[in-house]
Amino acid sequence: AQTVTQSQPEMSVQEAETVTLSCTYDTSENNYYLFWYKQPPSRQMILVIRQEAYKQQNATENRFSVNFQKAAKSFSLKISDSQLGDTAMYFCAFMLRETSGSRLTFGEGTQLTVNP
Amino acid sequence: GAVVSQHPSRVICKSGTSVKIECRSLDFQATTMFWYRQFPKQSLMLMATSNEGSKATYEQGVEKDKFLINHASLTLSTLTVTSAHPEDSSFYICSAGTEYQPQHFGDGTRLSIL
Repeated sequence: AQTVTQSQPEMSVQEAETVTLSCTYDTSENNYYLFWYKQPPSRQMILVIRQEAYKQQNATENRFSVNFQKAAKSFSLKISDSQLGDTAMYFCAFMLRETSGSRLTFGEGTQLTVNP
Repeated sequence: GAVVSQHPSRVICKSGTSVKIECRSLDFQATTMFWYRQFPKQSLMLMATSNEGSKATYEQGVEKDKFLINHASLTLSTLTVTSAHPEDSSFYICSAGTEYQPQHFGDGTRLSIL
């Protein structure tokens, strides 16, 4: 079974600064995806970024980037130039790559607050 | 635009009522959909995996007679909370995806049982 751990229940950052959210996972599989989802107060789940395990290059989406360390089973999210709208709960998630779609295993979440 | 649609978004009903929640994939076929439950300030907890044309697979501790799942087509899965009680009040959310698409989520259903 796979597990995902987010060791930071809460974090805060000043607007325009950079913040890094941590995530570690455990699996014996080799073919999988990792995701970061954002859940604002509306509780909508929004995909922020994804990483295929077979790709060595770290994924980047505008102000969001990841540091994927496969051997260490670490998958941290860096948010640059933080904005007030980034305030949300962030979930790290793991998914095996299977033909019919696979379940997501979530971490406990990190509540990020961006302060003006 | 949304690729997974979930309805209703909010339900308030009396204890003993059965409530049906729908989850639709809008522009792709999903042989598998997933139902999660989320309590305030907690993570998403997988309740069951909905398989098109066959029985759902329930996670340990989830009552299959309480939470009925039907996946009759490649674009629709339904979750029925039968004889709901106040302890069933929660946020329920579905997701769907394929090997080549990440899981997309519906907007969730806030269920309140009085």
